[in-house]
Amino acid sequence: NAGVTQTPKFQVLKTGQSMTLQCAQDMNHEYMSWYRQDPGMGLRLIHYSVGAGITDQGEVPNGYNVSRSTTEDFPLRLLSAAPSQTSVYFCASSHRQVIYNEQFFGPGTRLTVL
Amino acid sequence: ELKVEQNPLFLSMQEGKNYTIYCNYSTTSDRLYWYRQDPGKSLESLFVLLSNGAVKQEGRLMASLDTKARLSTLHITAAVHDLSATYFCVPTSGSRLTFGEGTQLTVNP
Repeated sequence: NAGVTQTPKFQVLKTGQSMTLQCAQDMNHEYMSWYRQDPGMGLRLIHYSVGAGITDQGEVPNGYNVSRSTTEDFPLRLLSAAPSQTSVYFCASSHRQVIYNEQFFGPGTRLTVL
Repeated sequence: ELKVEQNPLFLSMQEGKNYTIYCNYSTTSDRLYWYRQDPGKSLESLFVLLSNGAVKQEGRLMASLDTKARLSTLHITAAVHDLSATYFCVPTSGSRLTFGEGTQLTVNP
């Protein structure tokens, strides 16, 4: 299993540009989520999904869109990038129903918005 | 809203010494994770604590949970340089994890 994969690893955008961060998992996990991590801070939840076709907002959803058309993929779209979105983005997945549903994290995407 | 406070936020310790990281959280949680993050890397799950009084140990790290006090501790025994990392206490409700700022641990020779 590849686990949770994210692309790209690094990205530089100009203010106002749009882009999509990709996340995929091959563990048949129902639950997937996106977090951002700013320097010296923990992770904050952006959006999450409990299954294909179902998404919901987390703590900091503004400026981001998500969709979940398949179990495997959960892309995060930045509609119009702003410098405040400079951060490291982590995707995570887990089984939904198992009580010991450890979340597995991807390697992260480091995004800089100029 | 679930909030997490860890202390200390920064910890510099000598190899061979013992120390404890404390984690307080504000509301009832289903379970609590401890994660480790190395600089520039992703997060690695260390422990999951499911019930009051739970204690887990792996090598030089031991985690415990007191759900009545809403307190978890991560005890480091005879620290070694390889333990240098940031440690996050993550109480969880349903599938939603709540992260604090983490404790940045540096172990010096």
